[in-house]
Amino acid sequence: EPEVTQTPSHQVTQMGQEVILRCVPISNHLYFYWYRQILGQKVEFLVSFYNNEISEKSEIFDDQFSVERPDGSNFTLKIRSTKLEDSAMYFCASSGSGIYGYTFGSGTRLTVV
Amino acid sequence: EDQVTQSPEALRLQEGESSSLNCSYTVSGLRGLFWYRQDPGKGPEFLFTLYSAGEEKEKERLKATLTKKESFLHITAPKPEDSATYLCAVLLPYTGANSKLTFGKGITLSVRP
Repeated sequence: EPEVTQTPSHQVTQMGQEVILRCVPISNHLYFYWYRQILGQKVEFLVSFYNNEISEKSEIFDDQFSVERPDGSNFTLKIRSTKLEDSAMYFCASSGSGIYGYTFGSGTRLTVV
Repeated sequence: EDQVTQSPEALRLQEGESSSLNCSYTVSGLRGLFWYRQDPGKGPEFLFTLYSAGEEKEKERLKATLTKKESFLHITAPKPEDSATYLCAVLLPYTGANSKLTFGKGITLSVRP
């Protein structure tokens, strides 16, 4: 069964450092997303990406965050200057037509120290 | 105001003891309601999508139903391996390329042997 792959599974970084989280969505999907889940809290939407541009972003997704699809297969989330409160699980997801096949990756646990 | 409310927060069952998990939502014009299973430290694993009131879907011991105000995930004769957090998420009315999911807090199910 097709799956969304995320790397690394766990990243520890110092406050103020830049991190890049990587995702390989399902190959024929057109919509790409990042969500995050702070420990013990809900899964929260960060950003959606379609046709090589951001289609929607939440208020969490401020100027410190950016997304990119550099080569037609990878989808990345960059946090420029990490804060302690950015510690969370970050999930990448992709879908075929906006609704169908909405599949999540296994996540990257980001720990900011 | 929360748009997706799941209850109870936690549920402990004896193996074989059937029960239902509830997800109520307050949006109108729902495009879809999703159920996911999440194991600790993992990403949401897709279970079902429901699109219209009256729809039902089944998979092994799980059956999902949808009304105009809520969805139920019925678990018949659960086994210990069904222990997980069950997430409900809604796809809001269409506004352009938006396909973000809004999640509830989840229901943690524990099934004792």
